[in-house]
Amino acid sequence: VLTQSPGTLSLSPGERATLSCRASQSVSSSYLAWYQQKAGQAPRLLIYGASSRATGIPDRFSGSGSGTDFTLTISRLEPEDFAVYYCQQYGSSPITFGQGTRLEIK
Amino acid sequence: EVQLLESGGGLVQPGGSLRLSCAASGFTFNTYAMGWVRQAPAKGLEWVSTISAGGGSTYYADSVKGRFTISRDNSKNTLYLQMNSLRAEDTAVYYCANYRAGFFDCWGQGTLVTVSS
Repeated sequence: VLTQSPGTLSLSPGERATLSCRASQSVSSSYLAWYQQKAGQAPRLLIYGASSRATGIPDRFSGSGSGTDFTLTISRLEPEDFAVYYCQQYGSSPITFGQGTRLEIK
Repeated sequence: EVQLLESGGGLVQPGGSLRLSCAASGFTFNTYAMGWVRQAPAKGLEWVSTISAGGGSTYYADSVKGRFTISRDNSKNTLYLQMNSLRAEDTAVYYCANYRAGFFDCWGQGTLVTVSS
C-alpha cells in the first residue's frame, strides 16, 4: 500500500512543494514513479526510478528516497504545476498507485 | 510524436460486454509493452492489465481477472481490452499507456465506460 501525504497542499506560486509517498513494504530497487494529472487530462509521467526525470520534465521537479519513503519536490511552483500528483510502485506485483496529493493555489 | 487514441467506451448494462481499442502511432508499437489503467469518477488511478510487446505475456489486477482480456494486433498497431461480465464498479475512464519497465510512459486521453441499468 502506498500512502501519500498530505492529501491537499495549499501553496503559492514561487514556493517550494514537498510531497510524500510512503510504502507499507520496501520498494525494491527504487521502482517508484510520480505522475501529474491536471483536471480533465490524462496523467503525465514526471519521475521514474525514484529520481530520474522523464523526457521534457522541467528540472524544478525532482524525486528522491528509497526503501519505504519517497519524496517529490517542486523547487519553485509555477501556475501550471497546480494539479493532482500520484506515486506508483512497480517493484512488486501488483502495480499500485497512491491515493494522490492535490496541490492547490493558496 | 507518440499518440494513443482510445475508443469503444460507452454505456453498458451490468453483466454486459464492451471492447476497448487503443490505436497507437509515432513509435514502434511492436517493441513496447502496453497497459490499461482506469480511474473511477473522482477517484485515483488503478492498474488494470499489461501485455508484453509480442503479446505472449499478460497480467491482470485481481479485480478484473477472469472477466477482462488484454490483447494486441501488432500489424494494426492496436491494443484491445475485452471486458465481460461488467459491474457497476468497473465504471471509470480507461487509459491505455506505454508500459516501460514497470511504469507508464505515455498515456492516451482515455475513454469513459459507464456500467448502469
